[in-house]
Amino acid sequence: EVQLVESGGGLVQPGRSLRLSCAASGFTFDDYAMHWVRQAPGKGLEWVSGISWNSGSIGYADSVKGRFTISRDNAKNSLYLQMNSLRAEDTALYYCAKDGYSSGSFFQHWGQGTLVTVSS
Amino acid sequence: EIVLTQSPGTLSLSPGERATLSCRASQSVSSSYLAWYQQKPGQAPRLLIYGASSRATGIPDRFSGSGSGTDFTLTISRLEPEDFAVYYCQQYGSSPQTFGGGTKVEIK
Repeated sequence: EVQLVESGGGLVQPGRSLRLSCAASGFTFDDYAMHWVRQAPGKGLEWVSGISWNSGSIGYADSVKGRFTISRDNAKNSLYLQMNSLRAEDTALYYCAKDGYSSGSFFQHWGQGTLVTVSS
Repeated sequence: EIVLTQSPGTLSLSPGERATLSCRASQSVSSSYLAWYQQKPGQAPRLLIYGASSRATGIPDRFSGSGSGTDFTLTISRLEPEDFAVYYCQQYGSSPQTFGGGTKVEIK
C-alpha cells in the first residue's frame, strides 16, 4: 500500500523559513516523479512544485519560484520542500503527491498533508 | 498557463441521479492530458480519471470521463451517497500543471 506521510508544518512568521518532508513507502520511490500541491483554507488546489525521478527535471509555480526549493533523496525514500521568505499567502495545507509516471503528469496518490501557517 | 474553468460551481442532485460536470480549458490540452479528482471534507484528493477517460485503480465504473481539446466532462451515472464531494479537473499537458476551481456536488 502506498503511503505518503508529510511533516514539518507549523506556525512561522513572515519572512522566515520552513522545511517540509514527505516519507514515502509501499512503492519503488525512484521510479516516480513527486510533487507538492497546496490548498489554502477553504480554497482549491494549487500545484507548487514537482521533481522527476532522478531530479533531472524540476518545476515551480510562479508564485513560489525563487523562494521554494524541492529536492528528493531516493536512498531515504523522501521528498523535501525548503520554503524561504514565507508570506501570509503561503498559508495552506501542503500535500505530498506521487506522480503516475517518472516525469510530470497526474497525481496518483496523496498524503494527508501538513499545515503551514504564516502569521506574525 | 492554461486556465481551467469548471461549471457549474455547485450541483444539487439527489442520490440515483446523473451528474455531469464540465471542465473547459483556455487552450487545447495536449494529448488529452486531463485528470479528475474527488475531495471530501477533511480528506486528501483522490484520483478518479486520467488521460481524460481512463479510470484510476479501484474507481467504480459509474464514473466516466470524456472530451478532448478544450472541453472535458466527468459523468457520474447514478449518484451514491458517498459521491457527494468536490471535484477538480487538472491538466498536465503544459507546464505548469493547473487545476480548475472545483465543482461541489451536494445533496438536494
